[in-house]
Amino acid sequence: EAQVTQNPRYLITVTGKKLTVTCSQNMNHEYMSWYRQDPGLGLRQIYYSMNVEVTDKGDVPEGYKVSRKEKRNFPLILESPSPNQTSLYFCASSLFGGGDTQYFGPGTRLTVL
Amino acid sequence: QKEVEQNSGPLSVPEGAIASLNCTYSDRGSQSFFWYRQYSGKSPELIMFIYSNGDKEDGRFTAQLNKASQYVSLLIRDSQPSDSATYLCAVNSGGYQKVTFGTGTKLQVIP
Repeated sequence: EAQVTQNPRYLITVTGKKLTVTCSQNMNHEYMSWYRQDPGLGLRQIYYSMNVEVTDKGDVPEGYKVSRKEKRNFPLILESPSPNQTSLYFCASSLFGGGDTQYFGPGTRLTVL
Repeated sequence: QKEVEQNSGPLSVPEGAIASLNCTYSDRGSQSFFWYRQYSGKSPELIMFIYSNGDKEDGRFTAQLNKASQYVSLLIRDSQPSDSATYLCAVNSGGYQKVTFGTGTKLQVIP
């Protein structure tokens, strides 16, 4: 089954404790992206990647890191999480890029205390 | 100034009516336009995409794009209670790979 998977689905952590949210797709897509979704603010793009070792900032990259060492994986790293990073996070992928249909993972709900 | 604007709603329509959802964008260089549907607690899923001025129809859904006026709309004919969801407008500016979403319009279809 073609899909985007994210882990964990739910995470409660404390300020400053490094965490990684994994994202994997099995569709051989070139483009992968991370979004956060907050009430009243909608979906905001954090980082995106056009290919292995090619990443770029979205609209809200501060406090986040990403890497793309393999085509199928695009982990999101919070090296020192803060309460303002409490949010619902979505990973997405598309075949050709930002101008193509994106397929979303199930989401990761993160709470930073 | 927000780059992609949507009325947050809720937009309430009776079952069987036409629901009209609107989206405006600020970047004149935008080239790709998408409508995603998001049910409560779920991830967004594509409804339609449109690249050229005019109308594009797919079943009960019609997307309309007017680049001169910088707006894109989604019409849902014969609205069903199962159409009740939040509809997200997304815009991509061609050479850039960034994607900007509106805040979404919540649609309620009343049986």
